[in-house]
Amino acid sequence: GDSVTQMEGPVTLSEEAFLTINCTYTATGYPSLFWYVQYPGEGLQLLLKATKADDKGSNKGFEATYRKETTSFHLEKGSVQVSDSAVYFCALGNTGNQFYFGTGTSLTVIP
Amino acid sequence: DVKVTQSSRYLVKRTGEKVFLECVQDMDHENMFWYRQDPGLGLRLIYFSYDVKMKEKGDIPEGYSVSREKKERFSLILESASTNQTSMYLCASSSVVLAKNIQYFGAGTRLSVL
Repeated sequence: GDSVTQMEGPVTLSEEAFLTINCTYTATGYPSLFWYVQYPGEGLQLLLKATKADDKGSNKGFEATYRKETTSFHLEKGSVQVSDSAVYFCALGNTGNQFYFGTGTSLTVIP
Repeated sequence: DVKVTQSSRYLVKRTGEKVFLECVQDMDHENMFWYRQDPGLGLRLIYFSYDVKMKEKGDIPEGYSVSREKKERFSLILESASTNQTSMYLCASSSVVLAKNIQYFGAGTRLSVL
């Protein structure tokens, strides 16, 4: 069945460091891919999405490219800020209306 | 903006109590979901619904039931709460037509069962 595997955390970075959180997926068909962010005490918010191969999703300085050949959707940011501290979830939405989430990666950015 | 509202942010209940978690969305989405979130386990799907009065079991439905009498409201019911149901519960809604299948989440209900 469909699934998502993402890099385990926690991840701790200094402010202005480069961030990569790896995400790979398994799916039949042509899923949409998402990154969600969860700030402490809150629900999940959509960060970015890509609906087909080679699409690049971007938002708030974060980027991820839908790579069909490597079945990946890695999240990157060139310079993280303290306010980026949160839990990040990779997710897959298939054509059957079902969603599959990774286990989440906790990011802490220190000044 | 899509708004998904969960009725309580925090709940404390006793073992054996019947617990209702309510979720309302204001964007006419046909799909609604209930997840629980536990450390190290990510989000696990409990139940989902594609339409009024329809429900489908997710990955961990045991000990839970749901009700969808109106399109905007999806209730999660713990018939007899147990301590292993202490968790964060997240409601979400989506629409293939209206929202390109993006899931929108409520703020969550942190339930403690004592």
